[in-house]
Amino acid sequence: QLPLQESGPGLVKPSETLSLTCTVSGGSISSSSYYWAWIRQPPGKGLEWIGSIYYSGRTYYNPSLKSRVTISVDTSKNQFSLKLTSVTAADTAVYYCARQVVVVIAATGNPFDYWGQGTLVTVSS
Amino acid sequence: QSALTQPPSASGSPGQSVTISCTGTSSDVGGYNYVSWYQHHPGKAPKLMIYEVFKRPSGVPDRFSGSKSGNTASLTVSGLQAEDEADYYCSSYVGSNNLVFDGGTKLTVL
Repeated sequence: QLPLQESGPGLVKPSETLSLTCTVSGGSISSSSYYWAWIRQPPGKGLEWIGSIYYSGRTYYNPSLKSRVTISVDTSKNQFSLKLTSVTAADTAVYYCARQVVVVIAATGNPFDYWGQGTLVTVSS
Repeated sequence: QSALTQPPSASGSPGQSVTISCTGTSSDVGGYNYVSWYQHHPGKAPKLMIYEVFKRPSGVPDRFSGSKSGNTASLTVSGLQAEDEADYYCSSYVGSNNLVFDGGTKLTVL
């Protein structure tokens, strides 16, 4: 049973906004034991952390993407979302949502213990 | 932003041991014990194998072990099995609420 599932458009036009949602099942997104994160993998390349959010709304972003990224949480729907603005072909990637289990005090030092299957988003006109 | 370096590939025969390295700097791998390793079979969800350098989550076989020396972290897979063939990624906290992954190592079981 996968507790995380990404959803959203698979095709986005250049300069537009990429929007994805991750639905969490089998547990509450409001748990103080976890952060919730987005990670991506461009074709043929490695993983890139995009950002993380706590149920309270506190966010942490990759500095290289910070100006274009917004991660939000909807505790009533047990979901969290990603918005990436002004996309280009370089943003084409498989996007994963993941759960970060709190084991250390540094928020983004925590490991990702569950991942979604990932969803391919292609940026093309 | 710092980058971690891994060999693009590694291989071993069934039953052998293989070690995959992840090299950073004193600002990331060398500066914090927040190194994690992930196993990724293409098309599936990545799986956490090691966290905080050497700790194994419940359910991960003890054939997988992690260590660190200076700016280099290592993942060792002992008693290689066919199902261990996958991509392996390391990640490290780099301070200032930031973290990085490396480019990954493709492990082939011969």
